[in-house]
Amino acid sequence: GENVEQHPSTLSVQEGDSAVIKCTYSDSASNYFPWYKQELGKGPQLIIDIRSNVGEKKDQRIAVTLNKTAKHFSLHITETQPEDSAVYFCAASPYGQNFVFGPGTRLSVLP
Amino acid sequence: SAVISQKPSRDICQRGTSLTIQCQVDSQVTMMFWYRQQPGQSLTLIATANQGSEATYESGFVIDKFPISRPNLTFSTLTVSNMSPEDSSIYLCSVEPRRTYNEQFFGPGTRLTVL
Repeated sequence: GENVEQHPSTLSVQEGDSAVIKCTYSDSASNYFPWYKQELGKGPQLIIDIRSNVGEKKDQRIAVTLNKTAKHFSLHITETQPEDSAVYFCAASPYGQNFVFGPGTRLSVLP
Repeated sequence: SAVISQKPSRDICQRGTSLTIQCQVDSQVTMMFWYRQQPGQSLTLIATANQGSEATYESGFVIDKFPISRPNLTFSTLTVSNMSPEDSSIYLCSVEPRRTYNEQFFGPGTRLTVL
């Protein structure tokens, strides 16, 4: 079955800097890759996703890139703000199958 | 996206008792799921709640411990039975709306502490 690894487990950046979180997956049949942000005491929030037919997707300060050959995808956050501090989870899903989540990255944006 | 509510938002329960968690969605959805998130950990799928039939459980989860109901396309319940301290977790409901494919949206979660 699918296995998703995520790095780093914790990440601290200065406000205004960029943050990058990387995930690798094992199942070449996976074709949907969402990213979730979970703030303390809340449920995960879908912030961006990418499908296997595109290599990059951007939404304001957030972007995701996908390398199908290497089986990895990354979340990029530019101009980080304190409100970006949260735990971020990636996931991978083969067509019509359930999500497999990565272990999470705790991002701290320091003022 | 869908608006999802869960009840209760948190509870503290005694060992050996059971708790039923409710998940309500503001629109009809194709798929509903139940996840467990142990303290400081990632999300683990418990089961897919099937409308009008028995839930589909993932490896390591059984119906006797986590009975699930889904009487219609907007509502589901998860019961945590015969609880032990190891059941202390956040339980999350998620949905996949009809009009989108593969996108899942999560409820706010139920924080359960078992003493």
